[in-house]
Amino acid sequence: DTAVSQTPKYLVTQMGNDKSIKCEQNLGHDTMYWYKQDSKKFLKIMFSYNNKELIINETVPNRFSPKSPDKAHLNLHINSLELGDSAVYFCASSQETVKETQYFGPGTRLLVL
Amino acid sequence: AQTVTQSQPEMSVQEAETVTLSCTYDTSENNYYLFWYKQPPSRQMILVIRQEAYKQQNATENRFSVNFQKAAKSFSLKISDSQLGDTAMYFCAFDNFNKFYFGSGTKLNVKP
Repeated sequence: DTAVSQTPKYLVTQMGNDKSIKCEQNLGHDTMYWYKQDSKKFLKIMFSYNNKELIINETVPNRFSPKSPDKAHLNLHINSLELGDSAVYFCASSQETVKETQYFGPGTRLLVL
Repeated sequence: AQTVTQSQPEMSVQEAETVTLSCTYDTSENNYYLFWYKQPPSRQMILVIRQEAYKQQNATENRFSVNFQKAAKSFSLKISDSQLGDTAMYFCAFDNFNKFYFGSGTKLNVKP
């Protein structure tokens, strides 16, 4: 059974396009996250939602907008894609924001041409 | 500032031998969690082991164990009896109850 799933796994698109990455978790967790892993393998948190409410919003461009229709889903929408947005994006979830271990999705490799 | 440093970008080990991956972190907090994650070529992040800062006993999970030195802010991962399937990127992570911080990763190659 897939715990945290992301779609698509690969996304190749042109600069200036708008794209979305979807994330779903079936663990019953109430907190979900988006991370960006750049080409140097640094993992940086972008957003965190707890029960559909934004609790962490790191300094990311306004072109990135998370949307949480329910606590099992956290989608990432990116407007006006730029070359620098090319990276692997990981979704994760946890039972609490504080102590519980985060479970990661398989990642979405985004390539902006 | 909270930072996590992994000073070994890449390491190699022979199959069946033992290897230690280093991690240091910087924090002014007293309570926190530390983790090691494995990222195989499939890119899925997998939790390997976790340590609670208030526990003095080092965490162990089968062939994986940590050497947690709180005063030195050091959290190394020891892999015993290395297997080919251990080949992956390994990330050290720090959780201060507010957000996660990851190190830059260590690429481990297990050679047959």
